[in-house]
Amino acid sequence: DGGITQSPKYLFRKEGQNVTLSCEQNLNHDAMYWYRQDPGQGLRLIYYSQIVNDFQKGDIAEGYSVSREKKESFPLTVTSAQKNPTAFYLCASSISDTATNEKLFFGSGTQLSVL
Amino acid sequence: GQQVMQIPQYQHVQEGEDFTTYCNSSTTLSNIQWYKQRPGGHPVFLIQLVKSGEVKKQKRLTFQFGEAKKNSSLHITATQTTDVGTYFCAGHAGGTSYGKLTFGQGTILTVHP
Repeated sequence: DGGITQSPKYLFRKEGQNVTLSCEQNLNHDAMYWYRQDPGQGLRLIYYSQIVNDFQKGDIAEGYSVSREKKESFPLTVTSAQKNPTAFYLCASSISDTATNEKLFFGSGTQLSVL
Repeated sequence: GQQVMQIPQYQHVQEGEDFTTYCNSSTTLSNIQWYKQRPGGHPVFLIQLVKSGEVKKQKRLTFQFGEAKKNSSLHITATQTTDVGTYFCAGHAGGTSYGKLTFGQGTILTVHP
């Protein structure tokens, strides 16, 4: 089945620790995204990547880092610099022929909590 | 920067009642999209509206894009328990760059049987 796979489903972070969230897609989509979802708020863009080896900061990139070494993979690292990391993290990819035609396909998400 | 406001934040209805959520942008949009997120799930794309004044229907769901392309609405006729979830609008600012979708805060719909 084609889709986006996020792992793990639940993740716990200790103080001062970096953690990496995995996102893999087999939809052959060029663009991939990371969003953060907090209760009562919409989805906020952390990073996005249009092509391999290129990525751009979104609205709330501070304390996060990404890489895009393969088309299928877009891992997100939550660093110790992110002081409020508890949230639901959603990875997405888009089928789009133009920038204005982005339609997002989301993974099932990772709930990150701080111990 | 672009802001997209969505109201109401919560809506409780009895099964069979209608439901509407509204989305307003601070700037003119290139297009607007709607997503549904079931409880415990992830957002799923519903529809995209592009033209000024556009109206699209999907069974009991009616989507509208305002004439000025700054607001949109989603109306559900005769709600069912399967309609439960959070409905998000997402406005696209236009241009040639990706990553320009701005999401509203979402409306959480509860349907009482």
